Amino acid sequence: KAGVTQTPRYLIKTRGQQVTLSCSPISGHRSVSWYQQTPGQGLQFLFEYFSETQRNKGNFPGRFSGRQFSNSRSEMNVSTLELGDSALYLCASSTSDTYGYTFGSGTRLTVV
Amino acid sequence: GIQVEQSPPDLILQEGANSTLRCNFSDSVNNLQWFHQNPWGQLINLFYIPSGTKQNGRLSATTVATERYSLLYISSSQTTDSGVYFCAGKGGGADGLTFGKGTHLIIQP
Repeated sequence: KAGVTQTPRYLIKTRGQQVTLSCSPISGHRSVSWYQQTPGQGLQFLFEYFSETQRNKGNFPGRFSGRQFSNSRSEMNVSTLELGDSALYLCASSTSDTYGYTFGSGTRLTVV
Repeated sequence: GIQVEQSPPDLILQEGANSTLRCNFSDSVNNLQWFHQNPWGQLINLFYIPSGTKQNGRLSATTVATERYSLLYISSSQTTDSGVYFCAGKGGGADGLTFGKGTHLIIQP
């Protein structure tokens, strides 16, 4: 059974640009959530989608957005990139919010 | 949202030693997990343990939900156990998983 797949693994962008990250959950998992990890703030929750609907949202500015498709694949978008957006972005999938989450390998974003 | 406190923040042990990592929660959680983050950044799921005790090889975990804490035990440590261990929980509100700051474990040969 394939795990959670995130693409790309590494990304370098320039300040002011936008970026889109992709996450394919484990087959059959309908919940996809996103997290940001930085040395200063640790792991922080961005948002969670379930059956194409955003169910929960963390405390991040509107520049951070996401969506989920009918096949449960999810994308997150960051517009007008700032240096502080440099981080490891992790995606997790679950069958529902009362079961454990499985994480992907992450996308390491560097903003220069 | 809930607060998650992990201790100790750093732990250096010799190979073969045993260790106990602790996680305290400020409120009840209905989803509690332990993760090991590998050098490439991936969070490896160790245990999903909202209550009770589970064991997997040299690792075991116990959660006492009524007292809002969880413990991760590592026995006969190996150098490959090195890394950062996180606990995370989900409260009753509209938040996702809340993570602790992690325990950085170093196992020396």
